[in-house]
Amino acid sequence: EVQLVESGGGQVQPGGSLRLSCAASGFTFSDYNMNWVRQAPGKGLEWVSFISSSDDYIYYADSVKGRFTVSRDNAGKSLYLEMTSLRVEDTAVYYCAREHDSGVYVPYFDLWGQGTLVTVSS
Amino acid sequence: SSELTQDPDVSVALGQTVRITCQGDSLRDFYATWYQQKPGQAPVVVIYDKNKRPSGIPDRFSGAASEKTASLTITGTQAEDEADYYCYSRDSTGNHVLFGGGTRLTVL
Repeated sequence: EVQLVESGGGQVQPGGSLRLSCAASGFTFSDYNMNWVRQAPGKGLEWVSFISSSDDYIYYADSVKGRFTVSRDNAGKSLYLEMTSLRVEDTAVYYCAREHDSGVYVPYFDLWGQGTLVTVSS
Repeated sequence: SSELTQDPDVSVALGQTVRITCQGDSLRDFYATWYQQKPGQAPVVVIYDKNKRPSGIPDRFSGAASEKTASLTITGTQAEDEADYYCYSRDSTGNHVLFGGGTRLTVL
């Protein structure tokens, strides 16, 4: 089955750290660029980070730059998000999302995980 | 500007046609993508590259674009179309993703 499964969410205090994982299955993970997207409770979608298929391009939203680090393990078919200096406003469901960029003008996210909840609270 | 603006709430009578719009400077350079999100679920793409539908998306969904505005039209809206809809594009560099604030569609 083609799927993405996130894990690693939980509750953490402000200033703390957390590492999210996203396990891919059912497709050739190393062929795809990947992204992290988050959604605060009751709010809209916010793009967080992008990593290219071979790890040579990485981008971050301004809101997390310098605090979050994205990485991937193509052999292990996994995507990661290392989050440090967490703030209350980082509280959200974090989704990993596969990017479809073949034969399109604007790449889009064609496969999403179910999300993992990160709660930053004292 | 690197923002995409959507009306927060739109309603439509069952079986009628509804248009959801998205405005932003980046839409002059990049086509919009539209996602549908139902409560407790991950988003699903319904329109990409302005007006293309992925397989499995009903043809009552269509997209259009003009200057700095993109639109999603649902013709003959069904009860199951009640959801949040997000437009999506890229910033001027093409490297950063932009999401609109979302439109909650209510089917009356």
